[in-house]
Amino acid sequence: NAGVTQTPKFQVLKTGQSMTLQCAQDMNHNSMYWYRQDPGMGLRLIYYSASEGTTDKGEVPNGYNVSRLNKREFSLRLESAAPSQTSVYFCASRGHLNQPQHFGDGTRLSIL
Amino acid sequence: QKEVEQDPGPLSVPEGAIVSLNCTYSNSAFQYFMWYRQYSRKGPELLMYTYSSGNKEDGRFTAQVDKSSKYISLFIRDSQPSDSATYLCAMSLNRDDKIIFGKGTRLHILP
Repeated sequence: NAGVTQTPKFQVLKTGQSMTLQCAQDMNHNSMYWYRQDPGMGLRLIYYSASEGTTDKGEVPNGYNVSRLNKREFSLRLESAAPSQTSVYFCASRGHLNQPQHFGDGTRLSIL
Repeated sequence: QKEVEQDPGPLSVPEGAIVSLNCTYSNSAFQYFMWYRQYSRKGPELLMYTYSSGNKEDGRFTAQVDKSSKYISLFIRDSQPSDSATYLCAMSLNRDDKIIFGKGTRLHILP
């Protein structure tokens, strides 16, 4: 049982390059989330999708776009990467409101 | 005042000790409270999930919620070196789709 799978696990980009982070879940969950985790800042919500076909901004959406491709997949795109976007990115999913979120193991992204 | 406050640590305790981890929060409307454990280079994994006030026990772990004081705690009994990790508290409003996380407390259990 894979749960939440994120690809790639590591990536190094140059400033201005674009990149799509992939996330897939096999738990038939309705909601999916993208977070970034930085030292001293905790987990901050970038975007979320409450159901297939819907997406909403979180706390720190600037510089990112998302696509809920189908119920299983939720991708995060950086159109023009900036050094401030160096972070660890986590995808999570949740089956129903008021249920806990399940996380992937993260994508470590460095932007030079 | 931040919505969720959590001491970042690190907290170092000897093996076998009882560990107490805490969070305070400002929004009295929070109804659902969670504790996640995060090992280095891994995603957070859910440890405990409680609704409203009271205690919940699962093996060596006990979660406690005091809504009157806006204070939640996680107790770890008979702590083991494998408990060394970062512990994140989290909470959400009733039927709201967003979960607010604390910044995490780094815990070291010394053999």
